[in-house]
Amino acid sequence: GDSVTQMEGPVTLSEEAFLTINCTYTATGYPSLFWYVQYPGEGLQLLLKATKADDKGSNKGFEATYRKETTSFHLEKGSVQVSDSAVYFCALIHRGSQGNLIFGKGTKLSVKP
Amino acid sequence: GAVVSQHPSWVICKSGTSVKIECRSLDFQATTMFWYRQFPKQSLMLMATSNEGSKATYEQGVEKDKFLINHASLTLSTLTVTSAHPEDSSFYICSAWSSGSAYEQYFGPGTRLTVT
Repeated sequence: GDSVTQMEGPVTLSEEAFLTINCTYTATGYPSLFWYVQYPGEGLQLLLKATKADDKGSNKGFEATYRKETTSFHLEKGSVQVSDSAVYFCALIHRGSQGNLIFGKGTKLSVKP
Repeated sequence: GAVVSQHPSWVICKSGTSVKIECRSLDFQATTMFWYRQFPKQSLMLMATSNEGSKATYEQGVEKDKFLINHASLTLSTLTVTSAHPEDSSFYICSAWSSGSAYEQYFGPGTRLTVT
Protein backbone atom coordinates (compact mmCIF):
# COMPACT_ATOMS: atom_id res chain seq x y z
CA GLY A 1 0.00 0.00 0.00
CA ASP A 2 0.90 3.65 -0.14
CA SER A 3 3.26 5.00 2.48
CA VAL A 4 5.35 8.00 3.43
CA THR A 5 8.74 7.79 5.14
CA GLN A 6 10.40 10.81 6.66
CA MET A 7 13.56 11.24 8.67
CA GLU A 8 13.32 10.60 12.35
CA GLY A 9 13.77 13.46 14.71
CA PRO A 10 14.20 15.33 16.77
CA VAL A 11 16.25 17.77 14.75
CA THR A 12 17.95 20.56 16.69
CA LEU A 13 19.44 23.51 14.85
CA SER A 14 20.79 26.92 15.68
CA GLU A 15 19.02 29.98 14.35
CA GLU A 16 19.93 30.80 10.72
CA ALA A 17 21.08 27.23 10.02
CA PHE A 18 20.07 25.37 6.87
CA LEU A 19 17.27 22.85 7.24
CA THR A 20 16.58 19.66 5.31
CA ILE A 21 13.93 17.14 6.30
CA ASN A 22 13.91 14.12 4.02
CA CYS A 23 10.67 12.57 2.80
CA THR A 24 10.21 9.68 0.40
CA TYR A 25 7.02 8.00 -0.65
CA THR A 26 5.69 4.77 -2.08
CA ALA A 27 2.54 5.06 -4.12
CA THR A 28 0.86 3.88 -7.26
CA GLY A 29 0.26 6.50 -9.88
CA TYR A 30 0.98 10.16 -9.29
CA PRO A 31 -0.15 11.40 -5.90
CA SER A 32 -0.20 14.98 -4.71
CA LEU A 33 2.39 15.69 -2.01
CA PHE A 34 2.16 17.93 1.04
CA TRP A 35 4.06 19.23 4.00
CA TYR A 36 2.03 20.04 7.09
CA VAL A 37 3.31 21.81 10.20
CA GLN A 38 2.03 21.45 13.75
CA TYR A 39 3.08 24.22 16.12
CA PRO A 40 2.93 23.48 19.86
CA GLY A 41 -0.66 23.34 21.06
CA GLU A 42 -2.13 23.91 17.61
CA GLY A 43 -3.66 21.86 14.82
CA LEU A 44 -1.93 20.88 11.62
CA GLN A 45 -1.57 23.57 9.00
CA LEU A 46 -0.77 23.12 5.36
CA LEU A 47 2.74 24.46 4.74
CA LEU A 48 3.14 23.72 1.03
CA LYS A 49 2.10 21.30 -1.65
CA ALA A 50 2.96 20.01 -5.12
CA THR A 51 0.56 18.22 -7.39
CA LYS A 52 2.78 16.92 -10.19
CA ALA A 53 6.35 15.91 -10.95
CA ASP A 54 8.94 18.71 -10.87
CA ASP A 55 6.51 21.09 -9.18
CA LYS A 56 8.08 23.15 -6.41
CA GLY A 57 5.93 24.10 -3.45
CA SER A 58 7.05 27.08 -1.38
CA ASN A 59 5.79 29.07 1.59
CA LYS A 60 7.32 31.08 4.43
CA GLY A 61 10.84 30.43 3.10
CA PHE A 62 10.29 26.66 2.97
CA GLU A 63 10.57 24.77 -0.31
CA ALA A 64 10.07 21.22 -1.53
CA THR A 65 10.31 19.78 -5.04
CA TYR A 66 8.28 16.80 -6.25
CA ARG A 67 10.90 14.36 -7.58
CA LYS A 68 9.25 11.46 -9.34
CA GLU A 69 12.51 9.74 -10.26
CA THR A 70 13.57 9.49 -6.62
CA THR A 71 10.02 9.46 -5.19
CA SER A 72 11.03 12.24 -2.82
CA PHE A 73 9.68 15.53 -1.52
CA HIS A 74 12.39 16.87 0.79
CA LEU A 75 11.64 19.99 2.81
CA GLU A 76 14.29 22.74 2.88
CA LYS A 77 14.75 26.18 4.36
CA GLY A 78 17.85 28.29 3.98
CA SER A 79 17.78 30.02 7.35
CA VAL A 80 15.58 28.75 10.16
CA GLN A 81 14.17 30.87 12.95
CA VAL A 82 13.17 30.01 16.50
CA SER A 83 9.56 30.43 15.41
CA ASP A 84 9.99 27.50 13.00
CA SER A 85 10.17 25.10 15.94
CA ALA A 86 7.35 22.62 15.32
CA VAL A 87 6.57 19.12 14.10
CA TYR A 88 6.61 18.70 10.33
CA PHE A 89 4.60 16.02 8.54
CA CYS A 90 5.03 14.86 4.97
CA ALA A 91 1.85 13.47 3.39
CA LEU A 92 0.33 12.31 0.13
CA ILE A 93 -3.11 12.13 -1.43
CA HIS A 94 -4.36 10.31 -4.47
CA ARG A 95 -6.54 12.27 -6.79
CA GLY A 96 -10.12 11.20 -6.50
CA SER A 97 -9.56 9.73 -3.04
CA GLN A 98 -11.93 12.14 -1.30
CA GLY A 99 -9.06 13.75 0.50
CA ASN A 100 -7.68 10.73 2.35
CA LEU A 101 -4.21 11.83 3.48
CA ILE A 102 -1.41 9.37 4.22
CA PHE A 103 1.10 10.83 6.68
CA GLY A 104 4.70 10.23 7.56
CA LYS A 105 5.56 9.91 11.25
CA GLY A 106 6.51 13.53 11.68
CA THR A 107 9.82 15.22 12.44
CA LYS A 108 10.18 17.48 15.43
CA LEU A 109 12.34 20.54 14.78
CA SER A 110 13.77 22.64 17.59
CA VAL A 111 15.59 25.85 16.71
CA LYS A 112 17.81 27.39 19.38
CA PRO A 113 18.61 31.11 19.48
CA GLY B 1 -7.89 30.30 6.11
CA ALA B 2 -10.67 27.98 7.15
CA VAL B 3 -11.00 27.28 10.88
CA VAL B 4 -11.85 24.00 12.52
CA SER B 5 -12.47 23.79 16.24
CA GLN B 6 -12.56 20.84 18.59
CA HIS B 7 -14.15 20.57 21.98
CA PRO B 8 -12.99 19.73 24.53
CA SER B 9 -9.28 20.33 24.09
CA TRP B 10 -8.55 17.81 26.83
CA VAL B 11 -10.61 15.43 28.90
CA ILE B 12 -9.97 12.96 31.67
CA CYS B 13 -12.53 10.23 32.23
CA LYS B 14 -12.84 7.04 34.22
CA SER B 15 -12.63 3.63 32.67
CA GLY B 16 -16.02 2.40 31.47
CA THR B 17 -17.50 5.82 30.80
CA SER B 18 -18.18 7.41 27.41
CA VAL B 19 -16.71 10.62 26.06
CA LYS B 20 -17.95 12.79 23.21
CA ILE B 21 -15.62 14.98 21.16
CA GLU B 22 -17.01 17.65 18.85
CA CYS B 23 -15.46 18.90 15.64
CA ARG B 24 -16.84 22.04 14.00
CA SER B 25 -15.99 23.86 10.81
CA LEU B 26 -16.51 27.48 11.77
CA ASP B 27 -16.53 29.36 8.49
CA PHE B 28 -17.20 26.81 5.78
CA GLN B 29 -19.33 23.78 5.10
CA ALA B 30 -17.46 20.51 5.29
CA THR B 31 -18.51 17.85 2.84
CA THR B 32 -16.33 15.34 4.61
CA MET B 33 -14.75 15.14 8.03
CA PHE B 34 -11.94 12.85 9.06
CA TRP B 35 -11.01 11.54 12.48
CA TYR B 36 -7.41 10.71 13.29
CA ARG B 37 -5.65 9.26 16.28
CA GLN B 38 -2.11 10.28 17.13
CA PHE B 39 0.08 8.34 19.54
CA PRO B 40 3.12 9.95 21.17
CA LYS B 41 5.98 10.35 18.70
CA GLN B 42 3.94 8.69 16.00
CA SER B 43 2.07 9.82 12.98
CA LEU B 44 -1.61 10.44 12.55
CA MET B 45 -3.60 7.31 11.93
CA LEU B 46 -6.87 7.72 10.07
CA MET B 47 -9.71 6.19 12.04
CA ALA B 48 -12.74 7.01 9.93
CA THR B 49 -14.18 9.21 7.24
CA SER B 50 -17.61 10.72 7.64
CA ASN B 51 -19.86 12.42 5.14
CA GLU B 52 -22.74 14.57 6.21
CA GLY B 53 -25.94 12.58 6.55
CA SER B 54 -24.44 9.15 5.95
CA LYS B 55 -22.69 6.48 7.96
CA ALA B 56 -19.00 6.83 8.62
CA THR B 57 -16.48 4.64 6.83
CA TYR B 58 -14.08 3.08 9.30
CA GLU B 59 -10.51 2.04 8.60
CA GLN B 60 -9.52 -1.56 9.07
CA GLY B 61 -8.96 -2.41 12.70
CA VAL B 62 -11.05 0.45 14.10
CA GLU B 63 -14.04 -0.74 16.11
CA LYS B 64 -17.09 1.11 14.85
CA ASP B 65 -19.14 0.16 17.90
CA LYS B 66 -16.52 1.66 20.17
CA PHE B 67 -15.81 4.83 18.22
CA LEU B 68 -19.20 6.20 17.22
CA ILE B 69 -19.10 8.95 14.63
CA ASN B 70 -22.05 11.18 13.79
CA HIS B 71 -21.86 13.80 11.05
CA ALA B 72 -25.20 15.47 11.63
CA SER B 73 -24.61 18.65 9.66
CA LEU B 74 -22.17 20.23 7.25
CA THR B 75 -20.43 21.98 10.14
CA LEU B 76 -20.45 19.39 12.93
CA SER B 77 -19.12 15.89 13.44
CA THR B 78 -18.86 14.09 16.75
CA LEU B 79 -16.72 11.19 17.91
CA THR B 80 -17.96 9.26 20.94
CA VAL B 81 -15.57 6.88 22.63
CA THR B 82 -17.81 4.36 24.33
CA SER B 83 -16.86 2.34 27.40
CA ALA B 84 -13.43 3.93 27.40
CA HIS B 85 -10.38 2.01 28.57
CA PRO B 86 -6.88 3.26 29.40
CA GLU B 87 -5.61 2.02 26.03
CA ASP B 88 -7.98 4.51 24.38
CA SER B 89 -5.94 7.33 25.86
CA SER B 90 -4.59 9.28 22.94
CA PHE B 91 -4.68 12.52 20.98
CA TYR B 92 -7.69 12.67 18.68
CA ILE B 93 -7.63 15.08 15.75
CA CYS B 94 -10.36 15.90 13.28
CA SER B 95 -10.10 17.54 9.91
CA ALA B 96 -12.62 18.94 7.50
CA TRP B 97 -12.65 18.92 3.75
CA SER B 98 -14.96 20.51 1.27
CA SER B 99 -15.28 19.77 -2.40
CA GLY B 100 -14.31 23.35 -3.11
CA SER B 101 -10.96 23.12 -1.33
CA ALA B 102 -9.20 20.91 -3.85
CA TYR B 103 -7.12 18.51 -1.78
CA GLU B 104 -6.62 20.59 1.33
CA GLN B 105 -7.88 19.38 4.67
CA TYR B 106 -8.28 21.83 7.54
CA PHE B 107 -7.31 20.42 10.90
CA GLY B 108 -8.67 20.99 14.37
CA PRO B 109 -6.29 21.55 17.30
CA GLY B 110 -6.89 18.08 18.70
CA THR B 111 -8.36 16.62 21.89
CA ARG B 112 -6.20 14.92 24.50
CA LEU B 113 -8.12 12.01 26.08
CA THR B 114 -6.84 10.38 29.23
CA VAL B 115 -8.71 7.39 30.62
CA THR B 116 -7.90 6.50 34.20
